Order: sequence, then C-alpha cells, then structure tokens
Amino acid sequence: EIVLTQSPGTLSLSPGERATLSCRASQSVSNNYLAWYQQRPGQAPRLLIYDASRRATGIPDRFSGSGSGTDFTLTISRLEPDDFAVYYCQRYGGSPPSTFGGGTKVEIK
Amino acid sequence: QVQLQESGPGLVKPSETLSLTCTVSGGSMSSFYWSWIRQPPGKGLEWIGYVFYSGSTNYNSSLKSRVTISVDTSKNQFSLDLSSATAADTAVYFCARGGWYVDFWGRGTLVTVSS
Repeated sequence: EIVLTQSPGTLSLSPGERATLSCRASQSVSNNYLAWYQQRPGQAPRLLIYDASRRATGIPDRFSGSGSGTDFTLTISRLEPDDFAVYYCQRYGGSPPSTFGGGTKVEIK
Repeated sequence: QVQLQESGPGLVKPSETLSLTCTVSGGSMSSFYWSWIRQPPGKGLEWIGYVFYSGSTNYNSSLKSRVTISVDTSKNQFSLDLSSATAADTAVYFCARGGWYVDFWGRGTLVTVSS
C-alpha cells in the first residue's frame, strides 16, 4: 500500500508570503493521480487540485500543484487570510483506491 | 450545485452497528461514485469506501470485514453500515461525491461510540 508523507507538519508564515507544501509517496503514483484538499476548522475539506496539477472549479490561480512519480508539491503563491488551514494530499485510482496523507497545517506567523 | 447531507445517530453503543445515510440534492446520482470518509477528532482523513450509482462497491481493506455501503437512487440516497463499532470508530463521518478525487462533500456528522 502506498503511504503518503506530508511535510512539514506545520508551516508558519505571514499573509502575502509563499507557501510550499510537500507530499511524498512511498511508491510511484500511477498517472499522477494525486489531489490536494484544504480544510478549515469545523468545515469539510475542499478540493483544490486533482491529477497533480489541475485546479478544481472555482479555485484561485494562486493555488498550483506540481510533481510526478513520488514527489508532489502544492504552492500557494501569496497567502491570504482564508488560506490558513490544514492541507491534505490524496492518491487515488490504484489499489487500495484511495489514501490520504497526514496533513500540513499552515498557520499565521 | 450538488449538496450532500449526512443523517443518523450521533451516539452508538460499542458492538452495535453504526448506520448513516447521505441525501443528495441538486443533481443526479447517475454516472457517479459516492464515498464515505471519516476523521477522528483532531486527526487526519480516512477513506472508508465508495459505491457506484449502479451498486458496485469498493472498501478500505482495513474496514472491509465490517463495512457495507449501499445506494438507493430512487431516493437520491446512499448509506453506510459499520458493524461491531468500537471507540476507535468515533469520528466525523463525511459523505462525498467521487470515488477517486472528491469534488463535493457533506458537512459531516460526529458519531461517538460509547456506552
């Protein structure tokens, strides 16, 4: 089973700064079937990125995804107040069909 | 805009079956996968399984012996049954659209397993 490891566990940044979040897989993710979600406190997760780099409907272009194989990155170009949240990566389409990473919390410095 | 709403008991006794229903509105269930995902308090997300609108299913191997997910398209609903519940099953349970990446989520419902 593919294990996803997200780093860092917590990222302390100021509004306007750039955030770079990492998701590393224990084995290659087929077809780059990797998604990113944002979860604010008390809310359901929200899909940001799928297929490693495709933005979901309505997601601002300050969010971008990149990577392939075992190493993937979510970049937030300029943090806005609403972006301080927990971010999860997820691989899908294989066996088992879906697994999530442990999450990265982006907090206000 | 598709909306999903979980419903069911918020408290389940140990060894009993945890049962939840998700009602889908604002769109058809046809041609889509429908998933259950859970999140223990203060922890990360765990995928439980999904059902295709036709009724075929796929489950997390760690829960497979205890999980049943079913769909009733005539009612625009799908359901989760998790048998032999323990305290480790205490979590917020989300229903969602998609069997791969998930694009619409319910708000989630907290289910506590306790006597």
